[in-house]
Amino acid sequence: DAGVIQSPRHEVTEMGQEVTLRCKPISGHDYLFWYRQTMMRGLELLIYFNNNVPIDDSGMPEDRFSAKMPNASFSTLKIQPSEPRDSAVYFCASSLGWTGQGKEQYFGPGTRLTVT
Amino acid sequence: AQSVTQPDIHITVSEGASLELRCNYSYGATPYLFWYVQSPGQGLQLLLKYFSGDTLVQGIKGFEAEFKRSQSSFNLRKPSVHWSDAAEYFCAVGVKIGNEKLTFGTGTRLTIIP
Repeated sequence: DAGVIQSPRHEVTEMGQEVTLRCKPISGHDYLFWYRQTMMRGLELLIYFNNNVPIDDSGMPEDRFSAKMPNASFSTLKIQPSEPRDSAVYFCASSLGWTGQGKEQYFGPGTRLTVT
Repeated sequence: AQSVTQPDIHITVSEGASLELRCNYSYGATPYLFWYVQSPGQGLQLLLKYFSGDTLVQGIKGFEAEFKRSQSSFNLRKPSVHWSDAAEYFCAVGVKIGNEKLTFGTGTRLTIIP
């Protein structure tokens, strides 16, 4: 399997612009997670889906952030409007089964977002 | 809620020397525990995990970790490090009931010197 695929790998945008990050989970996995990694806050869970349904979005920082999973093989994380403090590496991860059963999360390579 | 502490931000070890990275967790019951490694510019890769049973867990790349309930610790060890082990290491805790979240520590950056 190709693993979790994220695009783009790097994104540079100006403040106020809309940014869309994309993720293709591993085929057959039923959980999908979006994380944000910064030096100040480390790795934070933003939102996760089970069978395409958002389960917990309590980590989404504010209304500027939204995530969708229209089908089992695709998810997007959108920031509108973007701000410099959104600069971070955004990771997508997927798993077959839930963490409560000790199932491993497989991470994508990440998208490095820079907002100027 | 669960939490994870990695007290060492940065560790430098000579190639061939032994390694121990510390991880302490806080949770009211026995959690699931994971160690992930992140190479520069890469995503996180699972090294090993503790689910239940034997408290000494073997992982990939020659790593092992020991779950010590009395100390709320899950330290990562390797008897002899290689230059390719230079990376960031993250400890994470998951819980068994009703929550799919992983809580990650802040990471320990490992530097290997010749």
